[in-house]
Amino acid sequence: DIQMTQSPSTLSASVGDRVTITCRASQSINSWLAWYQQKPGKAPKLLIYKASTLESGVPSRFSGSGAGTEFTLTISSLQPDDFATYYCQQYTNYFNFGPGTKVEMK
Amino acid sequence: EVQLVESGGGLVKPGGSLRLSCAASGFTFSNTWMNWVRQAPGKGLEWVGRIKGKTDGETIDYAEPVKGRFTISRDDSKTTLYLQMNSLETEDTAVYYCTTVRWTTLFDYWGQGALVTVSS
Repeated sequence: DIQMTQSPSTLSASVGDRVTITCRASQSINSWLAWYQQKPGKAPKLLIYKASTLESGVPSRFSGSGAGTEFTLTISSLQPDDFATYYCQQYTNYFNFGPGTKVEMK
Repeated sequence: EVQLVESGGGLVKPGGSLRLSCAASGFTFSNTWMNWVRQAPGKGLEWVGRIKGKTDGETIDYAEPVKGRFTISRDDSKTTLYLQMNSLETEDTAVYYCTTVRWTTLFDYWGQGALVTVSS
């Protein structure tokens, strides 16, 4: 089973800040990584897949990078709508999610 | 417009059974792979299982924690996905989401979720 970790678990930031979340896999997953955004009481939303491909309709301030075992999600300028929890997910061998990173208002 | 609407959630005692439904519309259901994903209260996301589409043989895969207890099925004539949950444990308490699967791997459309509470 592939284990996914994320850091930090909580991130306090202000509107306009550049935000970076890290995701690590317990073994190489090539680029088979997705990022999801979830707001309280709502279903998750696909943001990025294949480590760096932006889902249609997702603002360009979101970007993803990495390959192998280490990945990052970056929000270039945090907007009020971006306060949420972010999950990474590997999909090379079935599916495993990271524990999530909550982006909260500083 | 793609719509996924889960139903059937509720309170059940440990050892009991429950069946969730996911009514789908807005896409060609029969060929679409479908997932169940769950989220325990205040916790992260956990994949439960997947059923492939008709042209791929409707093969089913399950996560280890639910193997032998949960059964995924689909009725293409009703465009509905099901999750039969038996021998429920308190650890199965969660919101259960159905999702579509794009390109065999991406969870692109999600339902609103159905809450299952397992408690005595």
